[in-house]
Amino acid sequence: GNSVTQMEGPVTLSEEAFLTINCTYTATGYPSLFWYVQYPGEGLQLLLKATKADDKGSNKGFEATYRKETTSFHLEKGSVQVSDSAVYFCALSEWGSQGNLIFGKGTKLSVKP
Amino acid sequence: DARVTQTPRHKVTEMGQEVTMRCQPILGHNTVFWYRQTMMQGLELLAYFRNRAPLDDSGMPKDRFSAEMPDATLATLKIQPSEPRDSAVYFCASGEPADDEQFFGPGTRLTVL
Repeated sequence: GNSVTQMEGPVTLSEEAFLTINCTYTATGYPSLFWYVQYPGEGLQLLLKATKADDKGSNKGFEATYRKETTSFHLEKGSVQVSDSAVYFCALSEWGSQGNLIFGKGTKLSVKP
Repeated sequence: DARVTQTPRHKVTEMGQEVTMRCQPILGHNTVFWYRQTMMQGLELLAYFRNRAPLDDSGMPKDRFSAEMPDATLATLKIQPSEPRDSAVYFCASGEPADDEQFFGPGTRLTVL
């Protein structure tokens, strides 16, 4: 079945450090891929997405590239801020799945000043 | 500013009591999802609806949980009787399948004593 695997956290970084959160997936068909972010005490919100191979999603300085050959969608940011502290979820939606998303377990990021 | 709303935001109850959580999806969205989030299990899909009809409720314990959409502006999740293991944050999300993005509410934090 379809699944998403994320690197386990927590991840602790200093401000301005480079961030990578790994995500790999297993899916049949042609999935769309997503990163959602959950700030403390809030619901998840979409951070970025990519709908086909080699697409790059980007938002708020975060980027992720859809790599079909490695079935990966790693999240990166060149310089993190304290305000980026949150839980990040990788997810996929398979074509024809009627909007149902498969989420990874989430990776908690803490950024220290 | 269209948002998913959930009530109540917090609920503390005693084991055996009935709990009802409510969700108002974004106007015009025809798909509604219910999720449960715990530290141990992460984010779990409980059920989802399309045009008010249940599409999948396989993630929901059938003996005590029920989900309905009395109309297009209201989704409910009911637990009867509640148990301490039901303590979690319950999220509602809505969306349009063509867009794949899900919009999450702020969640209901349930504590069953």
